[in-house]
Amino acid sequence: RKEVEQDPGPFNVPEGATVAFNCTYSNSASQSFFWYRQDCRKEPKLLMSVYSSGNEDGRFTAQLNRASQYISLLIRDSKLSDSATYLCVVTFYSSASKIIFGSGTRLSIRP
Amino acid sequence: ETGVTQSPTHLIKTRGQQVTLRCSSQSGHNTVSWYQQALGQGPQFIFQYYREEENGRGNFPPRFSGLQFPNYSSELNVNALELDDSALYLCASSTGQKAYEQYFGPGTRLTVT
Repeated sequence: RKEVEQDPGPFNVPEGATVAFNCTYSNSASQSFFWYRQDCRKEPKLLMSVYSSGNEDGRFTAQLNRASQYISLLIRDSKLSDSATYLCVVTFYSSASKIIFGSGTRLSIRP
Repeated sequence: ETGVTQSPTHLIKTRGQQVTLRCSSQSGHNTVSWYQQALGQGPQFIFQYYREEENGRGNFPPRFSGLQFPNYSSELNVNALELDDSALYLCASSTGQKAYEQYFGPGTRLTVT
């Protein structure tokens, strides 16, 4: 089983729709969680950190469920520019850092 | 633009050779992480350097090694290149207190023939 799993998609939704992705992780000692987006042939860019209480940044809402070991990303009122691959990231630190990216979920927004 | 730069942008090597990739971190960042990204996959963590010391390592063999310099720039060295080493190599910089809020460079595309 992969340490971090994402539905690869693609998710193909119309502009204006609401779309949600989940990401599950296997290590209950995981400490920090993030969403990055990656456009085709570009580097990943930090979208948002994910806090235990949930957090929102404009149209984007991220949540963490430690009991079920998943994080989620909700995008409201999707725009054409939201088309990208969304990568979840799980990290933990004991005596050294470990950073695990999921394989990503592809999102395509159609006009 | 993140301010993280990598060189070279593209590189072609033959199996068995050695390669060095370079990364300049964003101003004020003292932590650099390196990743390997194969097509269609997420980045795989190679290692992280914090203030010139290795601070974590993923599941990569010892022929993948690195350095961080006093100005916090970094190198990734790969010895005895294999065909499977062909990938995009990304570096990311961050500050110690927010070591996982990372800013990525554009990557180096390595092709091993």
